[in-house]
Amino acid sequence: SQQGEEDPQALSIQEGENATMNCSYKTSINNLQWYRQNSGRGLVHLILIRSNEREKHSGRLRVTLDTSKKSSSLLITASRAADTASYFCATVGAQKLVFGQGTRLTINP
Amino acid sequence: EPEVTQTPSHQVTQMGQEVILRCVPISNHLYFYWYRQILGQKVEFLVSFYNNEISEKSEIFDDQFSVERPDGSNFTLKIRSTKLEDSAMYFCASSDLSQTGELFFGEGSRLTVL
Repeated sequence: SQQGEEDPQALSIQEGENATMNCSYKTSINNLQWYRQNSGRGLVHLILIRSNEREKHSGRLRVTLDTSKKSSSLLITASRAADTASYFCATVGAQKLVFGQGTRLTINP
Repeated sequence: EPEVTQTPSHQVTQMGQEVILRCVPISNHLYFYWYRQILGQKVEFLVSFYNNEISEKSEIFDDQFSVERPDGSNFTLKIRSTKLEDSAMYFCASSDLSQTGELFFGEGSRLTVL
């Protein structure tokens, strides 16, 4: 299975702190994507990093990719209460995205 | 901003009944997907659809499931005879030219089978 597995499963931090979530996967990839899901809502695309990229930024988000270790990390800097959500990494296979179990992030005010 | 819309938002049905979940993907997108998420669990791939045919399906997508794009705008998921374990959120998604690019998800249809 190529699916990504996020670590930790749950993370609770204080507002203003940085949050780091990790993702590991098993097979070679074309790209890796991170999505966010608010409780009971659909998934929203956050950022895509291609297999030949090592780091990418988007606003308060920083994603790294280490293809030799088959791992990625998502860093959210200066967290806000509104960042409370589940975060999923998704690896791209031939025809589809495959999602991991997700990290449940709680930002405490 | 264009978005994927899904109806109904919530459907309650009796076991054994047929259910049709509807999706309107973003208009210029060519690739369409159904995913499901059982409460508290991960998002699971069901099926991908391109050029009016299934391009890939998962083990979950058995003979009880079918998809259709009847009129060039709607994309439907039919469950012929629902089981209790079909209770889940069903998400439709679409993407543009590239299958490996960003997916745009709808808000989901919650299916409850009693």
